[in-house]
Amino acid sequence: KQEVTQIPAALSVPEGENLVLNCSFTDSAIYNLQWFRQDPGKGLTSLLLIQSSQREQTSGRLNASLDKSSGRSTLYIAASQPGDSATYLCAVRTYGQNFVFGPGTRLSVLP
Amino acid sequence: DTGVSQDPRHKITKRGQNVTFRCDPISEHNRLYWYRQTLGQGPEFLTYFQNEAQLEKSRLLSDRFSAERPKGSFSTLEIQRTEQGDSAMYLCASSQGTSSETQYFGPGTRLLVL
Repeated sequence: KQEVTQIPAALSVPEGENLVLNCSFTDSAIYNLQWFRQDPGKGLTSLLLIQSSQREQTSGRLNASLDKSSGRSTLYIAASQPGDSATYLCAVRTYGQNFVFGPGTRLSVLP
Repeated sequence: DTGVSQDPRHKITKRGQNVTFRCDPISEHNRLYWYRQTLGQGPEFLTYFQNEAQLEKSRLLSDRFSAERPKGSFSTLEIQRTEQGDSAMYLCASSQGTSSETQYFGPGTRLLVL
């Protein structure tokens, strides 16, 4: 059964800093991996989806990488802004299973 | 089209009552998912539909839970004889299916069982 963990659980950084969020998964036979952000009390917003054949995806200041062999993905946020403050979740789709989410990393970007 | 919508946004009920939630997906999306999320945790998969067919149900979905998507458009999730442990955020998501698995989420329905 796929298990997904995210480190750190919470992160606080000053505005303008570059940062990396980590996602680890136990079963490397994944179909794809998706990163989301969630604002308090709200639904999830899709940020990036990486197919199993891809190594990375980029959207604006966000870059997500995937290393299936080591069971890891990272989300890189460049030049962080207070508006980036949210919880960031990764979700893994494994063959024969549906999406399994990690518990999230709660990010605070201080002005 | 403005995205996935869910109704109601909030529901307070007494233990033992039945509740029903509705989800309207993005119109051209043929896959629809239900998740449950408790405080501080990521969403947990409950069930999903490909058009009107319910293709998978999590073991989290007890006999008190039932979901339908009768015409392959909107979906309902019903909880019978609610328990305090059912208190959570219920999230719906949709995707285009095999052409794109990017899931788009609704705002969720927050359920509180007293």
